[in-house]
Amino acid sequence: EAQVTQNPRYLITVTGKKLTVTCSQNMNHEYMSWYRQDPGLGLRQIYYSMNVEVTDKGDVPEGYKVSRKEKRNFPLILESPSPNQTSLYFCASSFQDRGTDTQYFGPGTRLTVL
Amino acid sequence: SQKIEQNSEALNIQEGKTATLTCNYTNYSPAYLQWYRQDPGRGPVFLLLIRENEKEKRKERLKVTFDTTLKQSLFHITASQPADSATYLCALITDKLIFGTGTRLQVFP
Repeated sequence: EAQVTQNPRYLITVTGKKLTVTCSQNMNHEYMSWYRQDPGLGLRQIYYSMNVEVTDKGDVPEGYKVSRKEKRNFPLILESPSPNQTSLYFCASSFQDRGTDTQYFGPGTRLTVL
Repeated sequence: SQKIEQNSEALNIQEGKTATLTCNYTNYSPAYLQWYRQDPGRGPVFLLLIRENEKEKRKERLKVTFDTTLKQSLFHITASQPADSATYLCALITDKLIFGTGTRLQVFP
């Protein structure tokens, strides 16, 4: 089944404790991205990657890191989480880097930073 | 400033009626526009894409219009069903994908 998976689905952590949210897709997509979704603000792009070893900042990259060592995986790293990073996070992938192609979203990771 | 507006208030309609959701934008010139459905606690699911040179696009009970003069897209669900209840997001494509905040649709039996 074609899908984007994320882990964990739910995470409660404390300020400053490094964490990684994994994202994997099995569709051989070149383009992957991370979004955060907050009430009243909609989905905002954090980082994106157009291919292996190619990543770039989205609209809200501060406090986040990503890597793309393999085509299928695109982990999101919070080196020192803060409470303002409490949010619902989505990974997405598509064949092309433009929105002309269908974006496939993962199920989401709900992160709470205390 | 650039803005995408979707009605933040929920739209409540009776089963069998046509639901119409609005997406307005300012200071963008999108080449494409997409609509997504999002259920609570889940990721958005792609529904339709419409190009700037297309006035209308249909898929089963769904219809999308795109008026670049009015800077508006309308999303219609005909013969709505309770299973259509969800939040619907529009997304503009310029040099990147930009999402609206979504409108929640509630269809009552």
